[in-house]
Amino acid sequence: DGGITQSPKYLFRKEGQNVTLSCEQNLNHDAMYWYRQDPGQGLRLIYYSQIVNDFQKGDIAEGYSVSREKKESFPLTVTSAQKNPTAFYLCASSIVQGQETQYFGPGTRLLVL
Amino acid sequence: AQKVTQAQTEISVVEKEDVTLDCVYETRDTTYYLFWYKQPPSGELVFLIRRNSFDEQNEISGRYSWNFQKSTSSFNFTITASQVVDSAVYFCALSEAEIGNSGYALNFGKGTSLLVTP
Repeated sequence: DGGITQSPKYLFRKEGQNVTLSCEQNLNHDAMYWYRQDPGQGLRLIYYSQIVNDFQKGDIAEGYSVSREKKESFPLTVTSAQKNPTAFYLCASSIVQGQETQYFGPGTRLLVL
Repeated sequence: AQKVTQAQTEISVVEKEDVTLDCVYETRDTTYYLFWYKQPPSGELVFLIRRNSFDEQNEISGRYSWNFQKSTSSFNFTITASQVVDSAVYFCALSEAEIGNSGYALNFGKGTSLLVTP
């Protein structure tokens, strides 16, 4: 079945540690996105990518980094510079970047120890 | 400034009641898209509908219907004969033409939490 997978489902980060969240899609979509969701809030865009080897910062990119070496994969690294990383992280993809429908993965919940 | 406002934070209804979730948006673009997503307790966002700014025709899909009114910048969502499985957080979102660094990112409202009790 086509879809978006994210792993792990839960992730624990220690102080000063970098952690990487995985996002894979087999929908053959060109565009991929990372959003952050805090309790009682809507989603905010961290990074997006229109094509392999290209990505752009979203509204809250500080403390995060991404790569897009393959069309299917768009991993997100939460660095130690992100002082408040506890949140629910959602990855999405769409056919092309534009006003096309974005489809979401199941999310990763990041907690700080 | 918030581009999408969902004024109802929480709604509680009894099964079989009809319920309307409000969404008001703000944009200067003439071409834009509006979306509704459902987020059940599992967390994954489920796409419900996408509507472009030139199509004001209301849409019905089973127990779901959407009322798009450009004159009031609203895109409301109605669930008829609600069921317990409808309990979730519902998000309205706006996609405008490329602006600044966010490209065609979705601007989400803060969501409305719907609880349907038996």
